[in-house]
Amino acid sequence: GAGVSQSPSNKVTEKGKDVELRCDPISGHTALYWYRQRLGQGLEFLIYFQGNSAPDKSGLPSDRFSAERTGESVSTLTIQRTQQEDSAVYLCASSPWMNTEAFFGQGTRLTVV
Amino acid sequence: LAKTTQPISMDSYEGQEVNITCSHNNIATNDYITWYQQFPSQGPRFIIQGYKTKVTNEVASLFIPADRKSSTLSLPRVSLSDTAVYYCLVGEMSSGGYNKLIFGAGTRLAVHP
Repeated sequence: GAGVSQSPSNKVTEKGKDVELRCDPISGHTALYWYRQRLGQGLEFLIYFQGNSAPDKSGLPSDRFSAERTGESVSTLTIQRTQQEDSAVYLCASSPWMNTEAFFGQGTRLTVV
Repeated sequence: LAKTTQPISMDSYEGQEVNITCSHNNIATNDYITWYQQFPSQGPRFIIQGYKTKVTNEVASLFIPADRKSSTLSLPRVSLSDTAVYYCLVGEMSSGGYNKLIFGAGTRLAVHP
């Protein structure tokens, strides 16, 4: 595909369950970002990958959140033991290098019930 | 402490020029200034990026004074479809020495008929 692809587009899960959110960046993009956006609010930075490395994980809200990237391509954001406050849209973006244009996916809307 | 400061909201009318100013008093020598636009239920979209003076593309102009402590996004002759949230970003170094994209609260622009 030509753009950043995220799956699933919508996810409803029960409190306490684990979820995995997937991001397929644009081919060749070395930088990959994850953000969380609660309803009516701005984007909250979660984590950033340069290649397969995450230089800064300080944005992850708690140890229930983790992310990995393999093959300098697909990335997975995992939320363990989901809580209702985890409900939000999770956005992924990729860019060819830092300080260049970042392309965003459509996001995964997570609802924890 | 916020990296950037911009108005929470602005109102305009179709056909008018809109200028949104962002303050970034602590901008670093290596930081670029980037603006994104976000429509409801979509990921942000890159508008323009600059380092100093003036940058213009088919969508907008970006004015940056010599001290680079602020920048102004100028949208010529806005239409109803320009109603969106506009984010100003400056590069922020992570603990690993890489730039990460940190979004502020953004400016909610409403264009009226």
